[in-house]
Amino acid sequence: DTAVSQTPKYLVTQMGNDKSIKCEQNLGHDTMYWYKQDSKKFLKIMFSYNNKELIINETVPNRFSPKSPDKAHLNLHINSLELGDSAVYFCASSQGAKSNYGYTFGSGTRLTVV
Amino acid sequence: SQKIEQNSEALNIQEGKTATLTCNYTNYSPAYLQWYRQDPGRGPVFLLLIRENEKEKRKERLKVTFDTTLKQSLFHITASQPADSATYLCALLVGGYNKLIFGAGTRLAVHP
Repeated sequence: DTAVSQTPKYLVTQMGNDKSIKCEQNLGHDTMYWYKQDSKKFLKIMFSYNNKELIINETVPNRFSPKSPDKAHLNLHINSLELGDSAVYFCASSQGAKSNYGYTFGSGTRLTVV
Repeated sequence: SQKIEQNSEALNIQEGKTATLTCNYTNYSPAYLQWYRQDPGRGPVFLLLIRENEKEKRKERLKVTFDTTLKQSLFHITASQPADSATYLCALLVGGYNKLIFGAGTRLAVHP
């Protein structure tokens, strides 16, 4: 059973296109996140949702729009893709942001913009 | 400025020795600190959490210390094995305690 699953695993697309990444967790957690890991392996938070409510929105271009249809899903839509958007995007979940059990991460979506 | 610093160079050690990784931070007052392991092509995996009022935490061969005066955490793996080779990330819970931010990680290589 996959706890946090992301699709697709790989995404290659041209500049200017619009794409979505989907995330689902089956852990019953109430908080979900999107992180971006760039080429230097630095993991940076983008968004956080608690019970479908946006609680963290870092200084991310508004081309990025998260959507949480329910507690178990958090999708990321990206408009007008740019070369600099190439990175690995990780979805994660936890039971509250202050969980004693840490965050559970998906295996990542490698986005390449050409 | 606010920073989390981990040794950027890889740590190479011999199997059976103790690996010690360092995490230093500045201008943060974290509620707690976490350590994660990340293998190539995979997401980070949670290992240990230590709170600001705790000095030390252990789990099997892992030990974490947290010194809020020095603003430093040390992560130890005793009796290291080649299977422990990975990148280890420290993370702080900050920002009103609803934001987990990560250091850049230290790559550990354990040689037989």
